[in-house]
Amino acid sequence: AQKITQTQPGMFVQEKEAVTLDCTYDTSDPSYGLFWYKQPSSGEMIFLIYQGSYDQQNATEGRYSLNFQKARKSANLVISASQLGDSAMYFCAMRGVGGAQKLVFGQGTRLTINP
Amino acid sequence: EAGVVQSPRYKIIEKKQPVAFWCNPISGHNTLYWYRQNLGQGPELLIRYENEEAVDDSQLPKDRFSAERLKGVDSTLKIQPAELGDSAVYLCASSARLNYGYTFGSGTRLTVV
Repeated sequence: AQKITQTQPGMFVQEKEAVTLDCTYDTSDPSYGLFWYKQPSSGEMIFLIYQGSYDQQNATEGRYSLNFQKARKSANLVISASQLGDSAMYFCAMRGVGGAQKLVFGQGTRLTINP
Repeated sequence: EAGVVQSPRYKIIEKKQPVAFWCNPISGHNTLYWYRQNLGQGPELLIRYENEEAVDDSQLPKDRFSAERLKGVDSTLKIQPAELGDSAVYLCASSARLNYGYTFGSGTRLTVV
């Protein structure tokens, strides 16, 4: 079974600082994908970044980067130069292979950016 | 390109009443998912469709929940009768078969009183 663990229920960061949101995962699939989503108070799930298990380099998308450490089964999200608009819930999710194409989500981390 | 469209956006009903949610996925996306998100938690899969076939409904409480995806496009999720514990956000998502991406709708926030 696949499992995602996010151990930080809440994070408080000063504007313009970098922030790391932790995510560890467990799976027996040799091939899998890892995702990060942002969910603002309005409720929609916004895709941020994706990392494939066989990707050699860490994924980056603008101010977002994924610190992928396969041996440690961790996929931390790094947000550089945080902005007030980054305040939201952040979810780490994993997808397996073949028929198990559903996304399995972690419990989420509530990020608050202080001015 | 229009995103995944869900309606209604909000719904308040009394317990034991029926309720239905509607989802229109992105055009061409074969796979459609219904997730339930309880307050303060991550979404959990209720059912997954490949075209019109439900291929994973192991987490759907079949005594009161039902879903359909006629013609492999729009989908409806129904609860009858609703219970207080069904209060949650119901999210619909879709993906293309050979694509890594999932697109979520804005969700329906259900409150059962």
